[in-house]
Amino acid sequence: AQSVTQPDIHITVSEGASLELRCNYSYGATPYLFWYVQSPGQGLQLLLKYFSGDTLVQGIKGFEAEFKRSQSSFNLRKPSVHWSDAAEYFCAVGGGSNYQLIWGAGTKLIIKP
Amino acid sequence: DSGVTQTPKHLITATGQRVTLRCSPRSGDLSVYWYQQSLDQGLQFLIQYYNGEERAKGNILERFSAQQFPDLHSELNLSSLELGDSALYFCASSVGPSGFSYEQYFGPGTRLTVT
Repeated sequence: AQSVTQPDIHITVSEGASLELRCNYSYGATPYLFWYVQSPGQGLQLLLKYFSGDTLVQGIKGFEAEFKRSQSSFNLRKPSVHWSDAAEYFCAVGGGSNYQLIWGAGTKLIIKP
Repeated sequence: DSGVTQTPKHLITATGQRVTLRCSPRSGDLSVYWYQQSLDQGLQFLIQYYNGEERAKGNILERFSAQQFPDLHSELNLSSLELGDSALYFCASSVGPSGFSYEQYFGPGTRLTVT
């Protein structure tokens, strides 16, 4: 069965420091992979997606993610975080014929001034 | 702005009551998904509709039901409400008429508080 694991419930990073949020998935074929961000009191916004091709994908707000098939990972990165990046980040995987997404539990990003 | 709208933004009601949450998908999107987000359960998929027909069910209670209308807006009905139903309810849409997609666009959510 498909599953998504975000091993870190919370991550605290200093403003200006680099960020990496981890996502591991379980899926038999090539998955469709997504990262979403949810700011406090807001809905989820699509940050970036991977379907095929170049394994390093660029998203909005300066984020990027790298698909590593051998590690079943799709980690999200940003070279320098801003206080406005404080939010919850969700990784999701899609595959199969039902066109649904399987969601990770989310990682809450806390920014230290 | 994702183009998905949800009303109302906030809803406070008492146990045992029934409420209806409304969602309008992005223009042209045929598929609507409903999710429940609570502190202890995370983001839970409830149900999906595509062009008026139920397509998939997730962890939806029997007290909950949904439908999608000919104009593609959707309603989620929650009845016999319990304290544990207090949560954020999100609607997402996807799929233009040109084909299927996993990409979902979320509305701002309805915060339901049951007292």
